[in-house]
Amino acid sequence: AQSVTQLGSHVSVSEGALVLLRCNYSSSVPPYLFWYVQYPNQGLQLLLKYTTGATLVKGINGFEAEFKKSETSFHLTKPSAHMSDAAEYFCAALNTGNQFYFGTGTSLTVIP
Amino acid sequence: DVKVTQSSRYLVKRTGEKVFLECVQDMDHENMFWYRQDPGLGLRLIYFSYDVKMKEKGDIPEGYSVSREKKERFSLILESASTNQTSMYLCASTSLSGNTGELFFGEGSRLTVL
Repeated sequence: AQSVTQLGSHVSVSEGALVLLRCNYSSSVPPYLFWYVQYPNQGLQLLLKYTTGATLVKGINGFEAEFKKSETSFHLTKPSAHMSDAAEYFCAALNTGNQFYFGTGTSLTVIP
Repeated sequence: DVKVTQSSRYLVKRTGEKVFLECVQDMDHENMFWYRQDPGLGLRLIYFSYDVKMKEKGDIPEGYSVSREKKERFSLILESASTNQTSMYLCASTSLSGNTGELFFGEGSRLTVL
């Protein structure tokens, strides 16, 4: 069965430092992959997505993610953290059976 | 601007009450979903619907039912609310034909059952 694993339920970075949030998926067939962000008391909004083609995907707010099939990973990065990046981040996969799978989320704290 | 609207942002109910959570989308999406979000557990699928009057159980359907009488509206029903149903409920929709299946979420409904 498909699953999505996010390593680290809490990540803290200093303002201006690199943000790295990890996501691995389990699937014999690469799914579509997504990163969503959730600000407090709000729904989820799409940051970026990988479907086919270029493996480095750029999203909103300076975030990007790289699909690595050999590592079954889709890690999210941002070169320089901003205070406004503090939020919950969810990795998700959509498989060929049109089923969505979510990771358990990573809470990002940005330290001034 | 595309939108998924959940009728209530915050609700407080008593044990045993019947609770209705309404969700409306304006994107003509075929597929709609109800998730429950709890700390440390991520999003768990309660029910989903691929068409009007059609419903499928998700991972945690016990204690819940749904209704989809119109394409744009998907309702979640708690027949007899219990304290363990205190949670954040998220509605989402998508079209799985012709695009990449991105989910669009509502703002969430935070339910407290006393």
